[in-house]
Amino acid sequence: GAVVSQHPSRVICKSGTSVKIECRSLDFQATTMFWYRQFPKQSLMLMATSNEGSKATYEQGVEKDKFLINHASLTLSTLTVTSAHPEDSSFYICSAPQGAELFFGEGSRLTVL
Amino acid sequence: AQKVTQAQTEISVVEKEDVTLDCVYETRDTTYYLFWYKQPPSGELVFLIRRNSFDEQNEISGRYSWNFQKSTSSFNFTITASQVVDSAVYFCALSGPRGTASKLTFGTGTRLQVTL
Repeated sequence: GAVVSQHPSRVICKSGTSVKIECRSLDFQATTMFWYRQFPKQSLMLMATSNEGSKATYEQGVEKDKFLINHASLTLSTLTVTSAHPEDSSFYICSAPQGAELFFGEGSRLTVL
Repeated sequence: AQKVTQAQTEISVVEKEDVTLDCVYETRDTTYYLFWYKQPPSGELVFLIRRNSFDEQNEISGRYSWNFQKSTSSFNFTITASQVVDSAVYFCALSGPRGTASKLTFGTGTRLQVTL
């Protein structure tokens, strides 16, 4: 079946630095991808919808200047957490639709020290 | 607005017991999809089932079964003869009218602990 891959799976960074997380659809093209965030022991909350060739659509309360999303190709969307702070530590997971199916990446665990 | 409620925060059972995880949803859409996902400690989401709002037939897959009742907006999940490997957080989720190829609204999850 279709596979969505995220990289890195784990990242630790210092406060104030920026971190980029990649989400790739390995064997299909995705004009849309979704980014979710999951704080420890909480649910997954949609952050934004990534659209190939156009601006991302952010959910209410998500700072678009802090969470930069780039969907530069039909198989790659990137999420950049700019000037990361400890409160940004979370599990970030992407998903991509293919036809009527929806596939999730393995997730990326970000820890900001 | 869409909403998914999983009232059970945590459930603990002994192996071989049956356990039912509840899910109640709210939506104004007439067409939608409901999902269940399993999230083991490693974090990845494991897809379990997708159900179309038009299809109210119950489904059984091995030890798993699902009871969809549109009249009560519920989509409950039962694990029969639970095993330790079933220990995980289980999420119920709802999609919008575009079907599965759309963003999902997740419930808060139910943590299932199966002990020997």
